[in-house]
Amino acid sequence: EAQVTQNPRYLITVTGKKLTVTCSQNMNHEYMSWYRQDPGLGLRQIYYSMNVEVTDKGDVPEGYKVSRKEKRNFPLILESPSPNQTSLYFCASRPLGQGAYGYTFGSGTRLTVV
Amino acid sequence: KNQVEQSPQSLIILEGKNCTLQCNYTVSPFSNLRWYKQDTGRGPVSLTIMTFSENTKSNGRYTATLDADTKQSSLHITASQLSDSASYICVVRAYGNNRLAFGKGNQVVVIP
Repeated sequence: EAQVTQNPRYLITVTGKKLTVTCSQNMNHEYMSWYRQDPGLGLRQIYYSMNVEVTDKGDVPEGYKVSRKEKRNFPLILESPSPNQTSLYFCASRPLGQGAYGYTFGSGTRLTVV
Repeated sequence: KNQVEQSPQSLIILEGKNCTLQCNYTVSPFSNLRWYKQDTGRGPVSLTIMTFSENTKSNGRYTATLDADTKQSSLHITASQLSDSASYICVVRAYGNNRLAFGKGNQVVVIP
């Protein structure tokens, strides 16, 4: 089954403790992206990657890091989480190009930083 | 200012009734527009996609329309069911750009 897999689904952590949220897709998509979703603000892009070793900032990149060492994986790293990073996070992927390609989203990771 | 505006922000409808959600955008040049359905706590799932030359697209009880001249789209839900309770997100892509513009969503609650 074609899918984007995120782990973990739920995470509670303390301020300052480094964490990684994993994202993996099995569709050989070039483009991968991380979003956070907060009430009243909709989905906001954190980082994206157009291929292996190619990453770029989205609209809200502060406090986050990403890496793209393999085409299928795109982990999101919070080096020193803070309470304002409490949010619902989604990883998504799609083919690159001008075609009418839509995203396939993961099921989400609900992060709470206390 | 957000490039994609959706209205109403939320609505409650009776099971079996129809409803229409609106999406106005300023993204230019236009490439395509997609409606997603997002159940609470889950990832968005694509419902329909329309390119510049298309003005209507259906997916079961969901029908999307597009007026590229006025930069407006609508999503019509026919004979609503309890499972239609969700947020519906309008997403617009500009031509030549890999970035997407997201609306904040229409929250629909269907009650028995």
